[in-house]
Amino acid sequence: GAVVSQHPSWVICKSGTSVKIECRSLDFQATTMFWYRQFPKQSLMLMATSNEGSKATYEQGVEKDKFLINHASLTLSTLTVTSAHPEDSSFYICSQRGLAGWDRETQYFGPGTRLLVL
Amino acid sequence: QQPVQSPQAVILREGEDAVINCSSSKALYSVHWYRQKHGEAPVFLMILLKGGEQKGHEKISASFNEKKQQSSLYLTASQLSYSGTYFCGTTTDSWGKLQFGAGTQVVVTP
Repeated sequence: GAVVSQHPSWVICKSGTSVKIECRSLDFQATTMFWYRQFPKQSLMLMATSNEGSKATYEQGVEKDKFLINHASLTLSTLTVTSAHPEDSSFYICSQRGLAGWDRETQYFGPGTRLLVL
Repeated sequence: QQPVQSPQAVILREGEDAVINCSSSKALYSVHWYRQKHGEAPVFLMILLKGGEQKGHEKISASFNEKKQQSSLYLTASQLSYSGTYFCGTTTDSWGKLQFGAGTQVVVTP
């Protein structure tokens, strides 16, 4: 498996402010991490793939200038929601793959960050 | 394209069995099953790679029919702890992106 942490677990902010969410790999280095968003009672939607040392790959319909992803080290990826608005309120979850063999095909999720924009 | 899960919801009494299905219109490489409890992130249960393997996790097992592009998750002798929303995730190639189904809510009552 893989152990992933996220910080903060909860954030409430005013509309127009920016929020940074951290995703850390705790047990081994991760060159790739994934960011998902989940609205209430809905499924998980992949937002972007974070690649260490290079630009993130964003899914269609996700604004790269609004959701800034930085993967500056092999254990840390950050997602910054810029100029957040109430419609950005959601559950943001990061994940990484396992280390070897079939486990590399699997994604393990962090505990998630719940964002509420007032 | 998102895989299709059925049923949307199921209510069980403790000890009863249930089956959750996941199907895709695309040729699949792998099927992943996760359980998400309210307010928490999804937890990995198992992965099935093409080849029709069946895997188990406690009293939860799954099968993958790659000819039909279908997978089923079997909850046997359900326990209260099995309550949650179950998601299947599928990939079409190795290390591919996970596409998640809409989820199946499972409620196990005493």
